[in-house]
Amino acid sequence: QQPVQSPQAVILREGEDAVINCSSSKALYSVHWYRQKHGEAPVFLMILLKGGEQKGHEKISASFNEKKQQSSLYLTASQLSYSGTYFCGTETDQGAQKLVFGQGTRLTINP
Amino acid sequence: DGGITQSPKYLFRKEGQNVTLSCEQNLNHDAMYWYRQDPGQGLRLIYYSQIVNDFQKGDIAEGYSVSREKKESFPLTVTSAQKNPTAFYLCASSYGTYHPGSSYEQYFGPGTRLTVT
Repeated sequence: QQPVQSPQAVILREGEDAVINCSSSKALYSVHWYRQKHGEAPVFLMILLKGGEQKGHEKISASFNEKKQQSSLYLTASQLSYSGTYFCGTETDQGAQKLVFGQGTRLTINP
Repeated sequence: DGGITQSPKYLFRKEGQNVTLSCEQNLNHDAMYWYRQDPGQGLRLIYYSQIVNDFQKGDIAEGYSVSREKKESFPLTVTSAQKNPTAFYLCASSYGTYHPGSSYEQYFGPGTRLTVT
């Protein structure tokens, strides 16, 4: 089942912070976060694994609450380049990275 | 440079014709994936392959077929049975496992935008 992302869209001014949430009805093994700019391929931001391991870019932070099957992506001191649509992809069983993606959160950063 | 290539970038076909989308990677990845993206929507998994000569259906496999004869290549055929084939198709690859020290991410190709009229 598709994870639910919130909010669906957010508009910020440069320098402001944002939090994007991803919630699943199933127990999760991992959560992957990607950013996609219009017409382009998604770009990897962060992966969080059950048990606490995380891998991702230095300026991106995220959390994973295994008990609640929820993850949040934290964007601090936003820059214009952060604009795009953010997707979470969830994996319920370890193996092959078979991901189910949320519907996306559109982030717009204004100067 | 290593990466994933998809060709062509834009593809136009008449209804009732089969069409094959190309995906090649030189990252030495074991796993490859095909996703479909519709306007304003997330990515939906069509097929994935963890190893050569083996592949599994994803969430929306009906009307599609794949092959994995080489590690580097994972072509997708959109058949005439696919009722609404117009979409943006993305290919991705990864190591497919979570061994410490390896990269866990899925790398995406630039995509093929297919229009069927």
